[in-house]
Amino acid sequence: DSGVTQTPKHLITATGQRVTLRCSPRSGDLSVYWYQQSLDQGLQFLIHYYNGEERAKGNILERFSAQQFPDLHSELNLSSLELGDSALYFCASSVGTGGTEETQYFGPGTRLLVL
Amino acid sequence: AQSVTQPDIHITVSEGASLELRCNYSYGATPYLFWYVQSPGQGLQLLLKYFSGDTLVQGIKGFEAEFKRSQSSFNLRKPSVHWSDAAEYFCAVNDYKLSFGAGTTVTVRA
Repeated sequence: DSGVTQTPKHLITATGQRVTLRCSPRSGDLSVYWYQQSLDQGLQFLIHYYNGEERAKGNILERFSAQQFPDLHSELNLSSLELGDSALYFCASSVGTGGTEETQYFGPGTRLLVL
Repeated sequence: AQSVTQPDIHITVSEGASLELRCNYSYGATPYLFWYVQSPGQGLQLLLKYFSGDTLVQGIKGFEAEFKRSQSSFNLRKPSVHWSDAAEYFCAVNDYKLSFGAGTTVTVRA
């Protein structure tokens, strides 16, 4: 158990809908990262937040957005869902600002299925 | 862009045999390298990491990895594989975000 929690574990929804994925980082960690794992793209970095502020963006679609709240939990919002958004979404956390030497600890993931 | 390559998509190994998974990196400076394991239906668990110094690093579950700058490699090894080691293994480099290899699936046969 890494100490990173994600809810829900599974999510089934329809095309065009909007969903929210939630992540709580390890106690004391200030950075939260979101990754998408799909069969065709592999593991891809989406976005990084540090202490409530966006620090870096990766291959995140405009239909996707995220935020980190004052209690440090983070939410990833996916809207206008398409079949291709079906994937496993991971949250990770690290203790500092996101330097290259930091270790990221991963949550169990949320499996999203868009029908 | 910084990247890692895992040349082997799938490896089958007998229980009790040794295992080596290959990882090659492309990075301009000193790389910060990681190996993660993903068991079926599970999240990513950190096995070990390399930051600097000793080229042989020890991890959990009896795994070790050797950093070779001359070969731009960070190969993962285990002397004797257990059935529970069947999983997907990912090498990653941290460039302010983790860039992962495509992964190597390990099957363990009895």
